[in-house]
Amino acid sequence: EDQVTQSPEALRLQEGESSSLNCSYTVSGLRGLFWYRQDPGKGPEFLFTLYSAGEEKEKERLKATLTKKESFLHITAPKPEDSATYLCAGGGSARQLTFGSGTQLTVLP
Amino acid sequence: DVKVTQSSRYLVKRTGEKVFLECVQDMDHENMFWYRQDPGLGLRLIYFSYDVKMKEKGDIPEGYSVSREKKERFSLILESASTNQTSMYLCASLTHRDREKLFFGSGTQLSVL
Repeated sequence: EDQVTQSPEALRLQEGESSSLNCSYTVSGLRGLFWYRQDPGKGPEFLFTLYSAGEEKEKERLKATLTKKESFLHITAPKPEDSATYLCAGGGSARQLTFGSGTQLTVLP
Repeated sequence: DVKVTQSSRYLVKRTGEKVFLECVQDMDHENMFWYRQDPGLGLRLIYFSYDVKMKEKGDIPEGYSVSREKKERFSLILESASTNQTSMYLCASLTHRDREKLFFGSGTQLSVL
């Protein structure tokens, strides 16, 4: 059975305090590892797709990396507006995604 | 920008009622999806549709049905709502031209009493 586990469940950071979110996966036929951001009262918004171990992608203060068993979302010098729930998902295609339960990030000013 | 619109933000229904959740997308996407999101469980796929009148079951289709009569509209139907169907329901769409990105609506929080 495909499984995606995110840790920690919740993370509180001070503004400027860098950290990483973890996504461990066991997904057969993995073709992509996806990261989404979800703000309260909204649907998830696409951030990144990673396809192979060693791949990295960046967007502003976020950098996603992928190994054969895990993906990390590194947040450098976060700001309060980075507060959100970050979801990761893995699958053979967008029709076959297994989502993790998310990491709720709070960045305090 | 792609817009996926769900007809209701909050909905309260009684056990046994028939419930319709509507979703409309404005970017001519071929694929549409219904997920439910529960704390600690992540998003789980209920049904998806890859074309008009076409549908496939996702991971948790029991107690649900769907309808896609027009390309832009995908409806989720709860034939007889039960309390264990209280959840956040998210609609999403996807195009063949960019298979990476699911575009989500803002969700419908359904409470079944």
